[in-house]
Amino acid sequence: AQTVTQSQPEMSVQEAETVTLSCTYDTSENNYYLFWYKQPPSRQMILVIRQEAYKQQNATENRFSVNFQKAAKSFSLKISDSQLGDTAMYFCAFMNGNAGNMLTFGGGTRLMVKP
Amino acid sequence: KAGVTQTPRYLIKTRGQQVTLSCSPISGHRSVSWYQQTPGQGLQFLFEYFSETQRNKGNFPGRFSGRQFSNSRSEMNVSTLELGDSALYLCASSLVAGGQETQYFGPGTRLLVL
Repeated sequence: AQTVTQSQPEMSVQEAETVTLSCTYDTSENNYYLFWYKQPPSRQMILVIRQEAYKQQNATENRFSVNFQKAAKSFSLKISDSQLGDTAMYFCAFMNGNAGNMLTFGGGTRLMVKP
Repeated sequence: KAGVTQTPRYLIKTRGQQVTLSCSPISGHRSVSWYQQTPGQGLQFLFEYFSETQRNKGNFPGRFSGRQFSNSRSEMNVSTLELGDSALYLCASSLVAGGQETQYFGPGTRLLVL
């Protein structure tokens, strides 16, 4: 079974600064995908970024980028130029590429962006 | 395209009752997954349906069941409700199964069991 661990329950950052959220996972699979989802107070889960395990290049989506360290089983999310709208719960998630659409989530990190 | 819709958005039930939640995926999506979110247990996978067949099931008791219709709409049913079933129930849809397609989540149904 896979496990996903987010070691930072809460974090805060000043507007316009950069913050990094940590995530580690444990799996024996080779074919898998990793995701960061954002859940604002509205509770709507929104995909932030995804990474295919077979790709060495780190994924980037505008102000969001990941540092994917496959050997270390680490998948951190960097948010640059933080905005007030980035305030949310952030969940790291794992999907076994051979087992359908089942996501295993970490416990989440509550991020507060301060003005 | 319209997003994933879930009905009802809020629900209050009493212990022992049963409840049915509905999820309409994005048009053309054939895979629907269900998740339970609670403060204590976090986000947990319930089950996944693809083309009307259950592909995966999480570690939940048999009181939790689901189905998918030919139009890909899905329902989940919880029988003999317990206080611990109070949660936000999220469904997600994707075009196909397997991770190569993004899962899009609905707004959730918040269930309160009294």
